Amino acid sequence: EVQLLESGGGLVQPGGSLRLSCAASGFTFSTFALSWVRQAPGKGLEWVSAISYGGGSTYYADSVKGRFTISRDNSKNTLYLQMNSLRADDTAVYYCAKDRIEYYFDSSDYWGQGTLVTVSS
Amino acid sequence: EIVMTQSPATLSVSPGERATLSCRASQSVSSNLAWYQQKPAQAPRLLIYGASTRATGIPARFSGSGSGTEFTLTISSLQSEDFAVYYCQQYDYWPQAFGQGTKVEIK
Repeated sequence: EVQLLESGGGLVQPGGSLRLSCAASGFTFSTFALSWVRQAPGKGLEWVSAISYGGGSTYYADSVKGRFTISRDNSKNTLYLQMNSLRADDTAVYYCAKDRIEYYFDSSDYWGQGTLVTVSS
Repeated sequence: EIVMTQSPATLSVSPGERATLSCRASQSVSSNLAWYQQKPAQAPRLLIYGASTRATGIPARFSGSGSGTEFTLTISSLQSEDFAVYYCQQYDYWPQAFGQGTKVEIK
């Protein structure tokens, strides 16, 4: 059974940093691209970032480019999102998601339950 | 950057009726379009990928169509468990993008 478990969310002051983790199990982690998607309270889904199966290609939404860094450790089956210079509008539930097919970027067929990040003084 | 626009924002439908949701891309995304369902306090669930292929375990009452810039999700006969918010997503270009969602509510 595929499982994705996010952690690392919490309350942080504006300008602060936070690192999210997503521990994966139930599939061959090293052969699938992964993504982060967020959802502000009461709002829709916003795509944040994606990383290729080997970690060599990364992509970002304009709203987070230069502030957030996606990475993965295939030896630990874990995805990360390093978030710096956090702003109030980064407040959201952050989901990690697994791409549907191996080796390519595609739609996301499994999602974690999310971790809440609140940016506030 | 591609902008995805969904309509309507809210759709009021009676159980057993058909629901038709639309998604438009600001430029062609070929067939690299997915639909997701999200219920309150739950993660999204993949319904359709490749514009028209049902994901594993998705009932046949869900169908997707379209290509290029115009896409449709049809729920042929709404069941109580189908009342939710639906999002389209393009994964043809970077950055990927979601539509703003269509809420399907009970009439």
